[in-house]
This record gives sequence, C-alpha cells and structure tokens, in this order.
Amino acid sequence: DAGVIQSPRHEVTEMGQEVTLRCKPISGHDYLFWYRQTMMRGLELLIYFNNNVPIDDSGMPEDRFSAKMPNASFSTLKIQPSEPRDSAVYFCASSFGTSGFTNQYFGPGTRLTVT
Amino acid sequence: RKEVEQDPGPFNVPEGATVAFNCTYSNSASQSFFWYRQDCRKEPKLLMSVYSSGNEDGRFTAQLNRASQYISLLIRDSKLSDSATYLCVVTSHNFNKFYFGSGTKLNVKP
Repeated sequence: DAGVIQSPRHEVTEMGQEVTLRCKPISGHDYLFWYRQTMMRGLELLIYFNNNVPIDDSGMPEDRFSAKMPNASFSTLKIQPSEPRDSAVYFCASSFGTSGFTNQYFGPGTRLTVT
Repeated sequence: RKEVEQDPGPFNVPEGATVAFNCTYSNSASQSFFWYRQDCRKEPKLLMSVYSSGNEDGRFTAQLNRASQYISLLIRDSKLSDSATYLCVVTSHNFNKFYFGSGTKLNVKP
C-alpha cells in the first residue's frame, strides 16, 4: 500500500489567498484526521471523520478553515483567506476499526508558508 | 491545565545509555495510552501501546502509573537512530477524545 498521500508537499502563498490541502487515506481505513503542527503549539487535532462524516471539528480554529470528505478516498482542508499565522505543517492521518484513535498512519505532511 | 504534558527536553545522552521520560495526564478517567515517535521533519509513527501491566518491545519499555497519572518510556542501550521526538497520546474514557503531548526530544550522541 502506498500509505497516506498528501498534496502538495510544500505550499507558499500570500496572505489572503485560498489554500487547499488534499489527502488520500489508506484504502479500507474508516477514520481520517487532519492535524496542524507548529513549534509553539505542537500537534493539534483540527477535525476527524468516521466513514466520511465529520465527528469532531472542535479543533478547527475559525471559520476560515473548512474540511470535506466527499468519499472514502479523498479529503480536503481549505483555508480561506489564509493568514501568516496559518503557517505550519498540516498532517493527514487515517486509521481503521473500533479503536480508530490508536494506530494512526500519518501522511508526510504539507508544509504551508503564508507570507 | 493541559490534558497531556511532557518535558520538551532535549535529553542528550551518549550511545548505550538508558534514558527514560514521562508523560503526565490530567484526567484520571483516561482510558488508553500510546507512544509515537517523530523523526525530524517527518510524520509521527506509532511506537507502542501502553498497557496497564506494562509492556516491552526490544529495548523499549512502556509503563502506566494510574495512581500518579503518568506513563513512561524507557529506552535501553540507546542507538543514534533513536534520536527523535517522542509523543505520548492519551484517549478519554469513552474513546471520543484523544490528546497528543507536545513531545520530548531525544538526542543520542556518539
């Protein structure tokens, strides 16, 4: 299996622009997680889906952030408009089963820089 | 108070040394515990689960102390390749929430 796939790997954009991050989970996994990681705040859970349904979005920082999972093999995280404080590494992870929180497989991350 | 707290380190140890670090959690009803490892500029990966009775995987031993609300990770005979950040994860009693610690950085020196 190819593992969790994220694109793009690096994104540099200007403040105010829309940014869309993409994730393809491991086939057969029914949980999908979006995280943000910074030096200051560590790894933060933004939102997670179970069977394509958003379960907990309490970590989404504000209305500028939105996430969708239109099918089992694809999810997006969108930031509109982007701000410099959104600069971070964004990870997508997927897992399987009733203990969906346990063994999460992370993608390589998208390093976002907003100037 | 944070749900999960870790000493950020870094822990600088020579090859062959034994090193241990802890992770404290605030909710006494927390249910499950794990250690993840994250190499520099890479994604986190599951290292091991932490069972009530403690568990060992080669040079790594994880333990849970419910009375004092912490988990620990012990690494024996440290290798250069053990250099990484170690993140603990704690799940809530009903498994609907989980929390990552901010990580402890380990540097193993030759």
